[in-house]
Amino acid sequence: AQKITQTQPGMFVQEKEAVTLDCTYDTSDPSYGLFWYKQPSSGEMIFLIYQGSYDQQNATEGRYSLNFQKARKSANLVISASQLGDSAMYFCAMREGSGGSNYKLTFGKGTLLTVNP
Amino acid sequence: DSGVTQTPKHLITATGQRVTLRCSPRSGDLSVYWYQQSLDQGLQFLIQYYNGEERAKGNILERFSAQQFPDLHSELNLSSLELGDSALYFCASSVGNVGGADTQYFGPGTRLTVL
Repeated sequence: AQKITQTQPGMFVQEKEAVTLDCTYDTSDPSYGLFWYKQPSSGEMIFLIYQGSYDQQNATEGRYSLNFQKARKSANLVISASQLGDSAMYFCAMREGSGGSNYKLTFGKGTLLTVNP
Repeated sequence: DSGVTQTPKHLITATGQRVTLRCSPRSGDLSVYWYQQSLDQGLQFLIQYYNGEERAKGNILERFSAQQFPDLHSELNLSSLELGDSALYFCASSVGNVGGADTQYFGPGTRLTVL
């Protein structure tokens, strides 16, 4: 079974509008972390936002926020006021466990976001 | 700029050859991770080192090996290369001992093309 599922291969949004990118996850570990990364066409992976499984509030970083619904095992990324530079592939990733120093990430297949002017 | 450096940026080689990819982590980071990104497999974790020791192995082929040196830079060695090894190889680094919020920062990647 896939641990991270991103059901939207592609999304379109108008500049200045908000967009939500979906991510569901599967784990039986009570301690885990969820991450979103952005990959522009140039190829680099840029860290956007982190949500811990025990965090009481949804994470926010500037125009990025994470809509964390633990019971539904979803961690959707919300981008407010989209900009042309937001056009990129977006990956949701999970790290399971909190002990030791093994923090490998499991990635979803990504969502390609296109921002239209 | 994440602070993680990778060299070379591009690498073109032939089947059967051996290559070495190099990574320097961010200052202060003790953990180094290697990931492979390909069209068919997506982003896959290969291996992790923490302060010079191997900590976790993922879907890494026996033809691949890695190490982390005392100065914390890491090298990924790929041998007996096959066409299917063509991919973007990322190195990431993190502090590695700060608990759940430990964030991995990725280098720019090395694009390997095997002809």
